[in-house]
Amino acid sequence: EDKVVQSPLSLVVHEGDTVTLNCSYEVTNFRSLLWYKQEKKAPTFLFMLTSSGIEKKSGRLSSILDKKELSSILNITATQTGDSAIYLCAVDSPNTGNQFYFGTGTSLTVIP
Amino acid sequence: DAGVIQSPRHEVTEMGQEVTLRCKPISGHDYLFWYRQTMMRGLELLIYFNNNVPIDDSGMPEDRFSAKMPNASFSTLKIQPSEPRDSAVYFCASSLQGSGRIGSIQYFGAGTRLSVL
Repeated sequence: EDKVVQSPLSLVVHEGDTVTLNCSYEVTNFRSLLWYKQEKKAPTFLFMLTSSGIEKKSGRLSSILDKKELSSILNITATQTGDSAIYLCAVDSPNTGNQFYFGTGTSLTVIP
Repeated sequence: DAGVIQSPRHEVTEMGQEVTLRCKPISGHDYLFWYRQTMMRGLELLIYFNNNVPIDDSGMPEDRFSAKMPNASFSTLKIQPSEPRDSAVYFCASSLQGSGRIGSIQYFGAGTRLSVL
């Protein structure tokens, strides 16, 4: 059965720290991987990684796809309290139709 | 565009009652998804539509759950009868295209927090 596993489940850091969140997946015929940030409300899109776009960066956030290791990392440098959220990873493949499999997320808390 | 709009934001009901959740997708988006989120199971896909047609409802937990999309701008998720274990946050999301392409990014509504007592 296809699945997506995120680690750690939760993380508490101080402002200014750098964090790395992990997402590993087991899907047949990987197609794309998405990262979302969920604060108190809806998940909001961060990055999309595919075979043709394995590294993305936006400000202090960056993400890399490792197709060999079937995983992705999300890095956040110089963390701020506003980075506190649940970070979700989602993966799809042609076998899943048009749906994404979501991991259970990593809860990040940044304390001043 | 106002984004995906869900209503109500909060719903508290008693076991056995019928619950109807509503969603208005982003205009022009051909795909609509209903998810349920709980602490234990995370974000689970319940059903999704393409051009108003249900494509995959394998995630719908049981016959008490039903979803409709009568037109491109409106969808409902109904639970009848509701049970305490249905308590969760229900999200609706829409996307321009199917997965595998940049247009597949799903945009989520603010969710409906359902509490069944």
